[in-house]
Order: sequence, then structure tokens, then C-alpha cells
Amino acid sequence: GNSVTQMEGPVTLSEEAFLTINCTYTATGYPSLFWYVQYPGEGLQLLLKATKADDKGSNKGFEATYRKETTSFHLEKGSVQVSDSAVYFCALIHNDMRFGAGTRLTVKP
Amino acid sequence: GAVVSQHPSWVICKSGTSVKIECRSLDFQATTMFWYRQFPKQSLMLMATSNEGSKATYEQGVEKDKFLINHASLTLSTLTVTSAHPEDSSFYICSAASGGLSNEQFFGPGTRLTVL
Repeated sequence: GNSVTQMEGPVTLSEEAFLTINCTYTATGYPSLFWYVQYPGEGLQLLLKATKADDKGSNKGFEATYRKETTSFHLEKGSVQVSDSAVYFCALIHNDMRFGAGTRLTVKP
Repeated sequence: GAVVSQHPSWVICKSGTSVKIECRSLDFQATTMFWYRQFPKQSLMLMATSNEGSKATYEQGVEKDKFLINHASLTLSTLTVTSAHPEDSSFYICSAASGGLSNEQFFGPGTRLTVL
């Protein structure tokens, strides 16, 4: 079946550091891929998405590229801010929806 | 984005009692609502999909008689955990969409259920 694996956290970075959160998936076909973010006390929000191979999703300085050859959708940001502290979930949709376990990011000033 | 609320945000109940969780889409009509369950440090697990006015579709392994879902209007869906037991303690999250699974989902903040 479909599945998503993302790097375990927690991740702690200093402000302006580079961020990578790895995400790989398993699916029989061509899923749509998503990154969701959950800020403290709030519901999950769609951060970015990509629906086909080589697509790059981007939003708020975050980027992720749909890599079919490596079945990956790693999340990156060049310079994190304290306000980026949240839990990040990688997910796919392909006949059903699967989420990764979430990665908690804490950015310190 | 659209706003989805859940009530209550947390609830503690005794074993054997039933608990109802409400999910409301506040500023759009949600033809489809989804219910998820999240265990500590684990991913969200889709429990069921409900379409307004019809019976919910449950994922494999989810007991439909234990987790009763009602989606009576385009803005409200309820999840009732019947005869709750400690193993039902979890974080329950709903989401709403104006369409099926492939449409963007808007998530509620979740409800933490603790069964004593």
C-alpha cells in the first residue's frame, strides 16, 4: 500500500539556518504530494504541493521538488525564522491519503 | 484559507460512556468531511470519509458501530465514540473539503480524548 516516511524530529535550528526535512514515499502509481504545517494550537494548513514528477511546490520561502526517481519530496528553506517553529507533515494522495509522522521544528533566536 | 472548528478541544470521560465531537466549517460549505486519528508521535490515520446527507465510508479496520459519524449539514459533522475505552484515548482531527479527497482539505485544531 501507499506510505510516507519522513525524518524523525525534533529538529532544532538557529534563526537563518538552512532547513531540510526529508520525505520519501511508496506508491504504486503517481501520487500527489503535499507538505502541511501545524502551528501550536492550530489545525494543519497546506504549505505546498506538487502533483507530478519534477514539479516544484513553493510557499513562504519553503520549497519541495517531486522526485520520481528517488520517490522523494524533501522540504527545504534557505533561512528559517522563529515563526517557522511548528510541526511539518509530508503527505500523499493516491486513491487514499497517507501522512508521515510529522517533524517538529524549533527555531531559536 | 477556510476555517474549521472542533468542539470540544479536549475531553475526559469514564470508560463505557459515549463522547460526541463536533466539526464545523465556519465559512464554506463542506460537501465532504474527513475524520482522522493521531497517536503520539505517529502520523494521522484516516478513519472515515463522510459526504453530506449520506452514510460515512470507513477505512479498513475502523469499527463503524464504535465510531458513529453523522454529516447532517454542509457545515457540521459529528463523531461519536460509543462505549469508550482507554484504548480509544487519542487525538481526533477532522478536515473539510468542498469536494472529494483530491480537493484541498481544511483541518480543525483537533480534539484530545482521554478515557479513564
